[in-house]
Amino acid sequence: DAGITQSPRHKVTETGTPVTLRCHQTENHRYMYWYRQDPGHGLRLIHYSYGVKDTDKGEVSDGYSVSRSKTEDFLLTLESATSSQTSVYFCAISEGGQGVADTQYFGPGTRLTVL
Amino acid sequence: SQQGEEDPQALSIQEGENATMNCSYKTSINNLQWYRQNSGRGLVHLILIRSNEREKHSGRLRVTLDTSKKSSSLLITASRAADTASYFCATDAGGGATNKLIFGTGTLLAVQP
Repeated sequence: DAGITQSPRHKVTETGTPVTLRCHQTENHRYMYWYRQDPGHGLRLIHYSYGVKDTDKGEVSDGYSVSRSKTEDFLLTLESATSSQTSVYFCAISEGGQGVADTQYFGPGTRLTVL
Repeated sequence: SQQGEEDPQALSIQEGENATMNCSYKTSINNLQWYRQNSGRGLVHLILIRSNEREKHSGRLRVTLDTSKKSSSLLITASRAADTASYFCATDAGGGATNKLIFGTGTLLAVQP
C-alpha cells in the first residue's frame, strides 16, 4: 500500500462522540486526501491537503475537520459522530507538482461504525 | 461537480473471456485514470491516459479515450479469477492546476473460474 498506514483499521463508536482517524505516509508526498466510500456513491472526497497546514474542503466536508502538522501525518476528525458517518474511510497520497491530477496511492482503509 | 459514471454496474464473465467497462464524464479533462479495488482493500492505480492520447496499453489492459464523446473504456483481455474486483474511473477537474480526482461509482467484475 505504497507506505501508507491508517489507524485504527476498525472502530465502533457512539453517536455524539469525537473520533480521530490517522493517516501516516513514508513517501514524503505533498498531497494527502481523505475519502469516504459508501455503497452506490463510490469514493467521495472529504478534505485534502496540499502541504503542511494547507488544507481545503472536498465534496462532503460537513461534520469533518482535518489537520496536517507534519508532512507524514494527516488527521481526520469527526467532531460529533453521527450514524450517517458510518462508512469506510480511505486516505490517499500523491506527489503533485505536475500541474494536473496525478496518480493517487491509497491506504488500506478504516471501517467506522457509529451506533 | 463532474463525475465519471461506469457502465455496466456489474459484469460476470468466464475465465479467459475479455471484460469491457465504460466510463463517461461530463466536462473537459486533463487526464483520466482507472483504479482497481479488491474486496476490503484500498484502491490500486492501473493506468492513466492523458487527454491528448487515444489509446494506452499496460499488460492485459487496454484503455481508450474519446474526448469528443467524453468517454473511456477499459478492456481486460484473457481475464483471470484474480481480476475479480471493482474498477473505478477517475477524472481530474480539467482546465487548471488541481490535484483532485473525482471517482465514479465503479463496475463490479466477477470472473468465474
